[in-house]
Amino acid sequence: GENVEQHPSTLSVQEGDSAVIKCTYSDSASNYFPWYKQELGKRPQLIIDIRSNVGEKKDQRIAVTLNKTAKHFSLHITETQPEDSAVYFCAASIWAGKSTFGDGTTLTVKP
Amino acid sequence: DTEVTQTPKHLVMGMTNKKSLKCEQHMGHRAMYWYKQKAKKPPELMFVYSYEKLSINESVPSRFSPECPNSSLLNLHLHALQPEDSALYLCASSPTRTNYGYTFGSGTRLTVV
Repeated sequence: GENVEQHPSTLSVQEGDSAVIKCTYSDSASNYFPWYKQELGKRPQLIIDIRSNVGEKKDQRIAVTLNKTAKHFSLHITETQPEDSAVYFCAASIWAGKSTFGDGTTLTVKP
Repeated sequence: DTEVTQTPKHLVMGMTNKKSLKCEQHMGHRAMYWYKQKAKKPPELMFVYSYEKLSINESVPSRFSPECPNSSLLNLHLHALQPEDSALYLCASSPTRTNYGYTFGSGTRLTVV
């Protein structure tokens, strides 16, 4: 089955800096890559996603890039704010409806 | 309505009890999911329903029994659980199974004593 590795497991940045989280996946058939943000004690929330026919997608301070050849995708957060502090999960969908999640990255943004 | 509503928010049950978790959405989504999440871990898929039919069972023990009475409702019936089943149970939905992100509910925090 699909295997998703996510790095780093923890990331601490100063407010205003950029943060980058990277994921690799194993199955070249995966074609949908969502990112979820989970604040402490709350539900995961979809923040951005990318499909395999697109190389990059941006939404305000958040961007995701996908390299299908290398089978990796990354989340970029610019101008980080304390409210960006959360656990971020990447996921890969090998077929419709079944997402395999990475182990998560705990992002801490220091004021 | 853009939410997935789960009840109850917290549940404590004994190993001999029978209880049910409920999930409801009114977004017209036709795919619904049950996930289990342990502390500091990613969500783990348990079941997928597509158009009210069970399409995936990730080898979940039979003490967990899902039910989808209609396109808006998803239940998870619990019986004879073990302490290691204590976790956050998340319901999610998506427009269809095909490459859409999930809308998660807030979850039910289950403790088995």
